Amino acid sequence: RKEVEQDPGPFNVPEGATVAFNCTYSNSASQSFFWYRQDCRKEPKLLMSVYSSGNEDGRFTAQLNRASQYISLLIRDSKLSDSATYLCVVNIDTGNQFYFGTGTSLTVIP
Amino acid sequence: DGGITQSPKYLFRKEGQNVTLSCEQNLNHDAMYWYRQDPGQGLRLIYYSQIVNDFQKGDIAEGYSVSREKKESFPLTVTSAQKNPTAFYLCASSIPGSGSYEQYFGPGTRLTVT
Repeated sequence: RKEVEQDPGPFNVPEGATVAFNCTYSNSASQSFFWYRQDCRKEPKLLMSVYSSGNEDGRFTAQLNRASQYISLLIRDSKLSDSATYLCVVNIDTGNQFYFGTGTSLTVIP
Repeated sequence: DGGITQSPKYLFRKEGQNVTLSCEQNLNHDAMYWYRQDPGQGLRLIYYSQIVNDFQKGDIAEGYSVSREKKESFPLTVTSAQKNPTAFYLCASSIPGSGSYEQYFGPGTRLTVT
């Protein structure tokens, strides 16, 4: 079983739409959670960390559900520039290893 | 500016040759990582190092080797024993000991072996 699983998509949404991505993790000892954004042929860049209480950064909202072991990312009022692959990342502190989902592809259409 | 550099951006090699990918960081991070990414797949961990002169195998270490002689540098050698070396290689660093710190990535090296 994979440590982190994501729906690969692709998600094709019109500008202005709201889109949500989910990610599940298998290890209940997971400590820290992140969403990264990766543009085509580029390196991943941190979009936001995910905190237990949930957190928001502008149009982006991240939620963590420890009981069900899933993380979500909500993007409101989608922009063309949001088109990218979104990676769910989980850290299990032992050994300080990070586990990556395969990513969810988003295309925002004019 | 602090960051991670990888060189070269593109690398072409003939099958059977060893090749070394460079990774340098000036973020003063103790932990460094090497990942491989294939098209349509997630990042897979090759090796990681939490401190100078120490490193651990990741999920796909076979055919690769690393060294960590300096805090700033974590070069990766792709040996001829790696059966399918063509891929996008990403180096990352972070502050170890607490997973609440995110990883920072270099721009990557695209290796093509023919």
